[in-house]
Amino acid sequence: SQQGEEDPQALSIQEGENATMNCSYKTSINNLQWYRQNSGRGLVHLILIRSNEREKHSGRLRVTLDTSKKSSSLLITASRAADTASYFCAGDSWGKLQFGAGTQVVVTP
Amino acid sequence: DVKVTQSSRYLVKRTGEKVFLECVQDMDHENMFWYRQDPGLGLRLIYFSYDVKMKEKGDIPEGYSVSREKKERFSLILESASTNQTSMYLCASRGADVFYGYTFGSGTRLTVV
Repeated sequence: SQQGEEDPQALSIQEGENATMNCSYKTSINNLQWYRQNSGRGLVHLILIRSNEREKHSGRLRVTLDTSKKSSSLLITASRAADTASYFCAGDSWGKLQFGAGTQVVVTP
Repeated sequence: DVKVTQSSRYLVKRTGEKVFLECVQDMDHENMFWYRQDPGLGLRLIYFSYDVKMKEKGDIPEGYSVSREKKERFSLILESASTNQTSMYLCASRGADVFYGYTFGSGTRLTVV
């Protein structure tokens, strides 16, 4: 079963613009994580936010978490062509990650 | 640089064959996971292991088994491969701290013909 559902499914922006994607999840979680996947490769961990946190920053990434709405958002500021990838949210329940279907982001120069 | 290594990048097998997918991590992680990834479905958990010789079923264990004889190695076994098992298989590991991200391998793209 999918824990998270991302919105939008696809996003196309120009370099320098911000990219925002949203995620909803179904069950209670210890933390929520975001991953990036470049075409046909493994996933790379980007950022983790605990269930008692509301916002977290890491470089150009900003993540929010609203446990009352079971939702999270990932903002990538000042996007670059190298940010082109698929982005997945994943809710951690009892040490297991449940992933959504992902948002495909294309950043054009 | 710490890593999770999957033995094959691409694999083509025939229907009915027994298939072994190997995963090795060098981080002394307790937890290891096998996912499959299909377009539009995201990643789905097949099996995971939190210790040597321990295994737990994930969401889609049917048609698969696993083996963890050593801490660093977690093998996924397709007992009798079928065409609906054609997929990208991803192995991941994580230490004991649940507030830490997973480290993924590069994936094995398996085609069953």
